[in-house]
Amino acid sequence: GAVVSQHPSWVICKSGTSVKIECRSLDFQATTMFWYRQFPKQSLMLMATSNEGSKATYEQGVEKDKFLINHASLTLSTLTVTSAHPEDSSFYICSALRTGSTDTQYFGPGTRLTVL
Amino acid sequence: GQQLNQSPQSMFIQEGEDVSMNCTSSSIFNTWLWYKQDPGEGPVLLIALYKAGELTSNGRLTAQFGITRKDSFLNISASIPSDVGIYFCAGFTSGTYKYIFGTGTRLKVLA
Repeated sequence: GAVVSQHPSWVICKSGTSVKIECRSLDFQATTMFWYRQFPKQSLMLMATSNEGSKATYEQGVEKDKFLINHASLTLSTLTVTSAHPEDSSFYICSALRTGSTDTQYFGPGTRLTVL
Repeated sequence: GQQLNQSPQSMFIQEGEDVSMNCTSSSIFNTWLWYKQDPGEGPVLLIALYKAGELTSNGRLTAQFGITRKDSFLNISASIPSDVGIYFCAGFTSGTYKYIFGTGTRLKVLA
């Protein structure tokens, strides 16, 4: 199967600090990864598309300077929440796109961010 | 952002009953997928559908890709307590790889 990991699984930080979340595809290479945000009892909302070796593509309303994305290898994408504030507290989920005869996103287990 | 209409929003059922949920879109999709999400976890892929009219099973789960390419349904037969969770549909069009997610169906199974 396709396995995607995220680290950390949860993090608590002080307001104003930056937090980095890692997303790794463990058993396949992923040129494209995605970052989602999920609020309680709501669906997943796409934040940005992470492309290996190029700049990320952000969805409308998502601040690229606030949510820095780096996709430096075919198995790793990172999301850095800069100068975090309490309103950034959320569940962040990444996915990795496995391409081939079919194209399917496989999701990581998510990271719970709490900003105090 | 855009979301797919998924129904019902939530449902309580007795263990052993069959469950049906569906997802509709105003847009045509090339691929429909169904995921299950447990609390505090990421979504797990249940079934992927790639052709209009396709009917695919995965154990007690059966999903169909509507012939209009604007809808899909998921059936769960003989539900068990571990079926509890939130079920999301997702659709996408080839070339973009960006998923549009449904609003989710929260399933609770009464033993």
